[in-house]
Formats: sequence, structure tokens, C-alpha cells
Amino acid sequence: AIWMTQSPSLLSASTGDRVTISCRMSQGISSYLAWYQQKPGKAPELLIYAASTLQSGAPSRFTGSGSGTDFNLTISSLQSEDFATYYCQQYFRFPYTFGQGTKLEIK
Amino acid sequence: QLQLQESGPGLVKPSETLSLTCTVSGGSTSSSDYYWGWIRQPPGKGLEWIGSIFYSGSAYYNPSLKSRATISVDTSKNQVSLKLSSVTAADTAVYHCARHQGVYNWFDPWGQGTLVTVSS
Repeated sequence: AIWMTQSPSLLSASTGDRVTISCRMSQGISSYLAWYQQKPGKAPELLIYAASTLQSGAPSRFTGSGSGTDFNLTISSLQSEDFATYYCQQYFRFPYTFGQGTKLEIK
Repeated sequence: QLQLQESGPGLVKPSETLSLTCTVSGGSTSSSDYYWGWIRQPPGKGLEWIGSIFYSGSAYYNPSLKSRATISVDTSKNQVSLKLSSVTAADTAVYHCARHQGVYNWFDPWGQGTLVTVSS
């Protein structure tokens, strides 16, 4: 299986901050990476696919970058509704795997 | 708009079989464009892909489940089902169904999920 290291696991930030979440793969996956946002008690929602393509309806303050083994999700200016948990997912090879998650909390 | 709704018993005894159904509305499980997957999330933990199925019945599973999972599709009812045998407390989780386009693809959308607790 392809292992993923997502960091940090917890991120404290303030409204208006710029933050970056990292996802590192145990082997190259080209651009076969997605990012999801999950709020408590809700299903994950797709933000980014193909490493850098913004899902329709997702705010433009979310940016995905990277290819191969190193990927980032950047939120340019945090809004109150962005405080949630974020997961990366590789779909390059079965079994699909997810990062451990990054909880973004209000400082 | 596509919607997925999971249903099934919220409590299962250890060693028994967990059975869940995902009902699809606003779309068709017989579409040749999509796969239908199951993903679970233990309370307070991360996400684990269980498996995915195509309308033809062709399925892929996570080897970590050691062949305990079986996914099936009933296109006449527009439903996808999951069976997980010989459950233990480690199988306690929220179980989500989700759609993905093509074999190697992201999940969108997801169902709300249903909590299954394994306990005697």
C-alpha cells in the first residue's frame, strides 16, 4: 500500500491567516491526489482533485499544489467556515489511502 | 442532484455480519461512468477505504480487511450493499458510501454516513 504522512495533525490559526497543510507519499503518485474538508458530524466534501484542480463550488482561497510525492493544500485567508478537518487521499493505486487528517482550529 | 443515503442496523454483535445499504437518488447505479465505494471512519479517527464496485459487479477491496468485506450492487433498486463478516469492536465506525468516476478517481459526493457499533 501507499503510505501517506499528513502534517501537521493539529493547526491553530486565526481568521485571515494563510495556512498550508502537507501530504507526503511513500512513493510517487503523479498528480493522483485529492483533498477533502470534513466538519463535525458531516461527510467529507471534495475540495481539490488531480492535486491542483479546484472542485466546482469550492472557494478560490483553497489551492492545491505538488506532484510525485509531496503535496500541499493552502488556504490563502482563513474564514470562520474553514475551521474543520482536512484529509488528503491518493487514488493512484489500490488500496486507496487517506492521510491521517489535519484539524484546523481557531487560535 | 445526486444523493446517497446509508442505512442499516446501528448495533451488531461481535462475530456477526454487518450489513448496510446505500440508496442512490438523482443518479443511476447502472451507469457505466461510475464506481460506488464504501469508506469507514472509526470515532475520532481517520478514513479507511473498504472497497468499490462497478455496475457490472466487478469489485475491488482493501486487503487490510482480509476478505471479510463483500460489496454488491442492485441496479433495479438503485442500491449498493456492504457486508462485513466476523466483526469485532475494531469495526465500530461511521460507514459512508461515495461515488467515484472511473477506477482510479476521487470520491464525490459522499453519503452522510451511518454509525455502526459492534458490542454485545
